[in-house]
Amino acid sequence: GAVVSQHPSRVICKSGTSVKIECRSLDFQATTMFWYRQFPKQSLMLMATSNEGSKATYEQGVEKDKFLINHASLTLSTLTVTSAHPEDSSFYICSAKGTANQPQHFGDGTRLSIL
Amino acid sequence: GQQVMQIPQYQHVQEGEDFTTYCNSSTTLSNIQWYKQRPGGHPVFLIQLVKSGEVKKQKRLTFQFGEAKKNSSLHITATQTTDVGTYFCAEEGGNQFYFGTGTSLTVIP
Repeated sequence: GAVVSQHPSRVICKSGTSVKIECRSLDFQATTMFWYRQFPKQSLMLMATSNEGSKATYEQGVEKDKFLINHASLTLSTLTVTSAHPEDSSFYICSAKGTANQPQHFGDGTRLSIL
Repeated sequence: GQQVMQIPQYQHVQEGEDFTTYCNSSTTLSNIQWYKQRPGGHPVFLIQLVKSGEVKKQKRLTFQFGEAKKNSSLHITATQTTDVGTYFCAEEGGNQFYFGTGTSLTVIP
């Protein structure tokens, strides 16, 4: 089955640091990648949708200058949390899909803790 | 962003009892997908429903898409401890996916 790799799985860093998270589709070409944020015992909240080679579409309330998304190739998207603060601590999950009406395949997630 | 409502939010059942979660949208859906997320894990795709009134089965799991394509349900027969987790429905709108609020299932041995 389709495999999505997400790294790192866990990050602990100081306030003010920028953190980059990578999401790779290992055995298929991902025309679309999604970035989600999940707080404990809550649902996945879509942050942004990115298509290869174009700018990401951010959901309302998500700061695009704080959460930088790059989807430079059909197999790689990155999310950079710039100048992270404790309130940015969360579980970030990426997913990827190939063509329309195909299911998403999720990475294992990144647990981000800002001290 | 929009969100699909799911009920109940939490469900505790004795092992062997049945379980159902319902997903409701105010708009007509092109398709609906179901995912399962184990504690500490990531969502895993279960199934996609596309046709009005569609019913699909996977062993003890039965998925149904409403006639009006505005609601869906997941029914588990004779739950087992391995069924523990949170079940999410997700709808596709354009090029975006929106997850339901989820139903957390606890199975008591």
